[in-house]
Amino acid sequence: GEDVEQSLFLSVREGDSSVINCTYTDSSSTYLYWYKQEPGAGLQLLTYIFSNMDMKQDQRLTVLLNKKDKHLSLRIADTQTGDSAIYFCAESFLLNAGNNRKLIWGLGTSLAVNP
Amino acid sequence: GAVVSQHPSWVICKSGTSVKIECRSLDFQATTMFWYRQFPKQSLMLMATSNEGSKATYEQGVEKDKFLINHASLTLSTLTVTSAHPEDSSFYICSARSSGSGNTGELFFGEGSRLTVL
Repeated sequence: GEDVEQSLFLSVREGDSSVINCTYTDSSSTYLYWYKQEPGAGLQLLTYIFSNMDMKQDQRLTVLLNKKDKHLSLRIADTQTGDSAIYFCAESFLLNAGNNRKLIWGLGTSLAVNP
Repeated sequence: GAVVSQHPSWVICKSGTSVKIECRSLDFQATTMFWYRQFPKQSLMLMATSNEGSKATYEQGVEKDKFLINHASLTLSTLTVTSAHPEDSSFYICSARSSGSGNTGELFFGEGSRLTVL
């Protein structure tokens, strides 16, 4: 079945770059997402990439997709303390012809940014 | 971006009582809403997919009679935890998809509702 895996923890120094990795098993996904969850809060969509792209850049965020290896990464440049949060990757599948989608989630990577 | 609001944010109830959580899309119409459950330090677990005007589709292992979902309008879905027990204590999150999100199927999430059953 579908599965998404992420490393659970990442610790970086303020100002450094952070790279959060994600692997998935099903190659039929259409979109892959990165969500951010701050403590006690809901999820915020950070960025997404369509499955026929291999890179997307959005300000400090760079998403790389390697479809052959089924590997997705999120790079945060100049990481700040405000970036400390849990980052979830998710892949999206079409459920039916009505364009309903299902998301399969990773367990989340807890990013700690040290001053 | 679009706003999804959940209410209540926190609820504490006695074992055996029922609790209703509301999920509203404030500035868009949501034909589809999703209900998730999140345990501490774990990922989101999809409980059910709710389509306006029809019965919800529950994921395997989720009890329909335990977690009642109603999606009576394009802006409101409710989750009722019936006869709550301490093991139902969790963080419940809803999300909604705007028709304006096009092919990305972007989901907008509520703030979550933390349920504690004593």
